[in-house]
Formats: sequence, C-alpha cells, structure tokens
Amino acid sequence: DGGITQSPKYLFRKEGQNVTLSCEQNLNHDAMYWYRQDPGQGLRLIYYSQIVNDFQKGDIAEGYSVSREKKESFPLTVTSAQKNPTAFYLCATSGTGGIYEQYFGPGTRLTVT
Amino acid sequence: ILNVEQSPQSLHVQEGDSTNFTCSFPSSNFYALHWYRWETAKSPEALFVMTLNGDEKKKGRISATLNTKEGYSYLYIKGSQPEDSATYLCAFIGTGTASKLTFGTGTRLQVTL
Repeated sequence: DGGITQSPKYLFRKEGQNVTLSCEQNLNHDAMYWYRQDPGQGLRLIYYSQIVNDFQKGDIAEGYSVSREKKESFPLTVTSAQKNPTAFYLCATSGTGGIYEQYFGPGTRLTVT
Repeated sequence: ILNVEQSPQSLHVQEGDSTNFTCSFPSSNFYALHWYRWETAKSPEALFVMTLNGDEKKKGRISATLNTKEGYSYLYIKGSQPEDSATYLCAFIGTGTASKLTFGTGTRLQVTL
C-alpha cells in the first residue's frame, strides 16, 4: 500500500528530553513537510525538504531539527529547547512545486510533562 | 508571516442545506491556493489546487472559486450531508516560496440530520 507512516500515534516524554518523531513514505515524493497543530490554530510549518540532503526552516523551526538522508524518510527531533512541545504533529509529502497537493500522514500526538 | 484568514470559524447546518465559506489571502505574489478537508480522526485530504484567477473547480457537491486580484476563494457545498462534517482548510502559496504552504485556521462544519 502506498502511503505515509508516522509512528508512534501517541508519545509521552518528560520535560528536558529530546524526542524523535518518524515519518516514512513510499509515494516516491520528493518533498516532505512537518506541521504542528495546536488547538484553535491552523497547521504551522516547522521544516520542509524538497530533495534529499536539503531542508529549509518553516515558520516555527526554533527548538526543532530534521534530517533528510533518504528520500523515504524525514524524521523530526523535538529538542529540549522547544518551549512548548506538547502538540499534534503531522508529516506530509508532495511533488515539488506548489501546484501539487500534499498528502498527510496520520499524525503523532506528543505530550511533554 | 503571511495572513490567511478563513470565515466563519464554525458552521452548523442541517442536512440538505447549501453552504459556503471564505478564505482570504494576500493578493500580491499569488502562486497557488489549496483546499483540504480534515475529518475527525483522519488525515487532511486535498480537495482542490487552484492557480488561475477566475478558476472554478468542482468535485461532486463541492466546488470552489478563486479571485486572486482581490485575494479570496470561496468553497461551496451543495445539499450538505452528515458525511460533509469536517474542518475545511485553505492554504496559500506565494511566488518564490517553492512548496511552502501557509494555512488558515479552518472552518469547522457540522451537518446534522
């Protein structure tokens, strides 16, 4: 089945710990994205990558890091520097260029206490 | 950060009613506008990608129009059904920003029998 996998669905961490969220795709899409959703807010872009070994900061990149070593994978690390990490995180993929629709994974809900 | 606004924030209609929502975006540097439907417990799914002023797109009972000169798009749902209940998101892409989408906060539609 073609699709996007995010794991785990729910993740709990203690404050001060880094945590990595995984995103894997087999759609053969070049572009991959990480979004964050908070109650009452739209999806906000954290990082995006249009090609392997290259990525750009989105609107809220502070406290996050990413890597893109393989076309299929775009993991997001939430570092201890992120002041309010509890949120719902969505990964998406698309062809390169704004005319291509984005496909979204099922999301990971991260709770940091 | 770009300002993409959606109205109303939420809407409650009865089965069979027709309804519409608005997405407002910057009228300068327009490249593309996306519409997504996000049902509870599912991932957002693309409805339309619109690029030309005056564009009209249709998918079943849902249609959308685009006015890039004045910076707005309308989404129409004809004869609403309970399965149309979802949050509808629009996302703006400006020229020179590659695949970077800026999302509105969404319109939450609830259709009751």
